[in-house]
Amino acid sequence: GQNIDQPTEMTATEGAIVQINCTYQTSGFNGLFWYQQHAGEAPTFLSYNVLDGLEEKGRFSSFLSRSKGYSYLLLKELQMKDSASYLCAVLDSNYQLIWGAGTKLIIKP
Amino acid sequence: DAGVTQSPTHLIKTRGQQVTLRCSPKSGHDTVSWYQQALGQGPQFIFQYYEEEERQRGNFPDRFSGHQFPNYSSELNVNALLLGDSALYLCASSSRLDSGGANVLTFGAGSRLTVL
Repeated sequence: GQNIDQPTEMTATEGAIVQINCTYQTSGFNGLFWYQQHAGEAPTFLSYNVLDGLEEKGRFSSFLSRSKGYSYLLLKELQMKDSASYLCAVLDSNYQLIWGAGTKLIIKP
Repeated sequence: DAGVTQSPTHLIKTRGQQVTLRCSPKSGHDTVSWYQQALGQGPQFIFQYYEEEERQRGNFPDRFSGHQFPNYSSELNVNALLLGDSALYLCASSSRLDSGGANVLTFGAGSRLTVL
């Protein structure tokens, strides 16, 4: 079966750094996405990795290791508005997105 | 430039009834995907439409059906509703012409269905 694992919930402090991990076992791999979803809202695209390494985009960075089936999303200089769920999704061999359950990130002042 | 719009935003149905949800994709997008998201879970892929045909389907029963119109808008129909069908239904659009293979999805705000 196909599986995406992420921590259910994480807590961090405003101004700090947090790393959200994602491990996956899928039938094939055609890229990994991170989406942010605020409560009651639509998921919004954050990043896409298809090759190994780090992709940096402002305060957010995403890392991929295909050999380890592992990715992380790194959020720097945390702001209260970063409180949201972060969803990891993998594009499998059929180009179908397989989603994790999401990590709820709570930011405390 | 309007993003993905979905209607209705909320609705309540009873078991056994039928429901139709509607989606207008982002301007310039030609592909529509539907997802079911239960509370505290990630989205589950229902199906995808391109050129008015169902191209891919997830692990959902035949009670779930859809349609895409020539203007790329789409409908999701669910028959014989069950309590377990209560969820947020998300529509996402994308473009087959997106370069780089990323095929980034743009999501609508969803239709929250409650089945009593």
